[in-house]
Amino acid sequence: AQSVTQLGSHVSVSEGALVLLRCNYSSSVPPYLFWYVQYPNQGLQLLLKYTSAATLVKGINGFEAEFKKSETSFHLTKPSAHMSDAAEYFCAVSEVGNKLVFGAGTILRVKS
Amino acid sequence: KAGVTQTPRYLIKTRGQQVTLSCSPISGHRSVSWYQQTPGQGLQFLFEYFSETQRNKGNFPGRFSGRQFSNSRSEMNVSTLELGDSALYLCASSPGQLGADTQYFGPGTRLTVL
Repeated sequence: AQSVTQLGSHVSVSEGALVLLRCNYSSSVPPYLFWYVQYPNQGLQLLLKYTSAATLVKGINGFEAEFKKSETSFHLTKPSAHMSDAAEYFCAVSEVGNKLVFGAGTILRVKS
Repeated sequence: KAGVTQTPRYLIKTRGQQVTLSCSPISGHRSVSWYQQTPGQGLQFLFEYFSETQRNKGNFPGRFSGRQFSNSRSEMNVSTLELGDSALYLCASSPGQLGADTQYFGPGTRLTVL
């Protein structure tokens, strides 16, 4: 079975600083990878997805992620954090069919 | 297009009762998946329905069941509720392709079991 590991359950950055959220996956086949964001009392919103077309994937709100097969990683970055980025972020891999296997999530705190 | 809608948004039940949650997918989407989100277990896949058939199932007991109607709307039922069933239940819809489908999530139904 595929699995996803998100390093760091909580990440704190200053406004304007680089955001780096880490995600490693295990998969025996080329995966489809996703990053979702969840704001309090809301559902999940897709930030970006990797489908093997390009290793650097650009998403919404200035986020991007790079697929590195050799490291089995799909880390999420944003050059400059904004207060509105404070939320919980989930990395996920698509398993059989449309089943998503999620990481445990990383809560991002942005300090002013 | 309207997004995924879930009703009700909040629900309080007592142990032993049963509950039905509803999900209306984005227009044109034929696949509906359900997930349970809890602080302890995180996000876990319950099942997926496509064209009124269950296409995939997670590791949940038989108390959790679902169905999909011809208009792609889906319902999820939990019988004999337990305290541990308290969770946010999320529904996601997608066009129905396998693998690379983007799933769009609804706002969830917050179930509290007392």
